[in-house]
Amino acid sequence: DGGITQSPKYLFRKEGQNVTLSCEQNLNHDAMYWYRQDPGQGLRLIYYSQIVNDFQKGDIAEGYSVSREKKESFPLTVTSAQKNPTAFYLCATAGVGNTEAFFGQGTRLTVV
Amino acid sequence: DQQVKQNSPSLSVQEGRISILNCDYTNSMFDYFLWYKKYPAEGPTFLISISSIKDKNEDGRFTVFLNKSAKHLSLHIVPSQPGDSAVYFCAARVTSGNTPLVFGKGTRLSVIA
Repeated sequence: DGGITQSPKYLFRKEGQNVTLSCEQNLNHDAMYWYRQDPGQGLRLIYYSQIVNDFQKGDIAEGYSVSREKKESFPLTVTSAQKNPTAFYLCATAGVGNTEAFFGQGTRLTVV
Repeated sequence: DQQVKQNSPSLSVQEGRISILNCDYTNSMFDYFLWYKKYPAEGPTFLISISSIKDKNEDGRFTVFLNKSAKHLSLHIVPSQPGDSAVYFCAARVTSGNTPLVFGKGTRLSVIA
């Protein structure tokens, strides 16, 4: 089944712990993106990658890290340096020449 | 500074009537505009788009209008249905280089039966 898989759907972590969110795609898309959604804030870009082994910071990269070792995978690590990590995290992909991005189902991270 | 603005956080419309959602942008380099629909706890789904070389694009009940001189676009839904109730995000991009989409804050549409 083609698409974008984010796992897990719900994640709980204690304050001060790092946590990694998974995003896998089998659409053969080159570009992958991480967005964060907070109430009333829309979707804000955290990091993006246009090719394997390369990525760029988005608007709110502080406290996050990513890697792009494989075309299919773009994991996001929320570090203890992120001051307000509780949010809904969305992964998206886009192919070369594709004008729209396709989203996964999201991961809700709650830090207690 | 917000490059894509949706100034109405919410909108209520009666079933069968027209819903009009508005979006303004400030970056004149944007050349492609999109609307996404989002239900709670789900990822956004692509709805309709328009290139800057056009001023209108229609797909069934959904029509997007672009006014480049005003840097304004709108989404019209006719007729509105209860299943249209969701949050609608306006997004824009510069198509060269596969740059990321820039999103507005969204408008929550409620269609009342």
